[in-house]
Amino acid sequence: GESVGLHLPTLSVQEGDNSIINCAYSNSASDYFIWYKQESGKGPQFIIDIRSNMDKRQGQRVTVLLNKTVKHLSLQIAATQPGDSAVYFCAEKIIQGAQKLVFGQGTRLTINP
Amino acid sequence: NAGVMQNPRHLVRRRGQEARLRCSPMKGHSHVYWYRQLPEEGLKFMVYLQKENIIDESGMPKERFSAEFPKEGPSILRIQQVVRGDSAAYFCASSPMGIEQYFGPGTRLTVT
Repeated sequence: GESVGLHLPTLSVQEGDNSIINCAYSNSASDYFIWYKQESGKGPQFIIDIRSNMDKRQGQRVTVLLNKTVKHLSLQIAATQPGDSAVYFCAEKIIQGAQKLVFGQGTRLTINP
Repeated sequence: NAGVMQNPRHLVRRRGQEARLRCSPMKGHSHVYWYRQLPEEGLKFMVYLQKENIIDESGMPKERFSAEFPKEGPSILRIQQVVRGDSAAYFCASSPMGIEQYFGPGTRLTVT
């Protein structure tokens, strides 16, 4: 759902482990979802997207899972590396509706050496 | 193919001055979006434009804020008579077909 201005949830993982970042989205009518990575001082970087007619999509080292029943989205990062440290946001939209993306709260991923 | 370009990257304005933020979309992209981000928060939609048209400005404050995307040149987000609460990072995104959106590096506005 919409960010509410709270401190970002934080996830700390050991380098080499897998990371799972979760997101609850707000609109059951949303049919397109994107994960973005945002490093400090930079703009959001597109990671992977998924449409509502799929429940899983894989990219390079990343997998997105979509559970429409409970309006839940997750991003799995395999073999986490120091360069994965960033804030991760999920975003949703309705393809045939309003063009705006609605961003989730974000999760700060920290990699421990 | 260069990404979305924004300038300036950092902008400092005194209260009451005007701020102009520029965005050049990726080549071939005709859809432009502006978002605002406060520290430790997600991005909030402001306005969606196509060439010479404002399509959705539902996220824009009713006063002092305006946006344009002329036939030639970059998209401009203009904030008149800035106040301290306008301090934020402003991001522009562009899209070729109105589905996926690619973001620029942002302009960080500080109002003193």
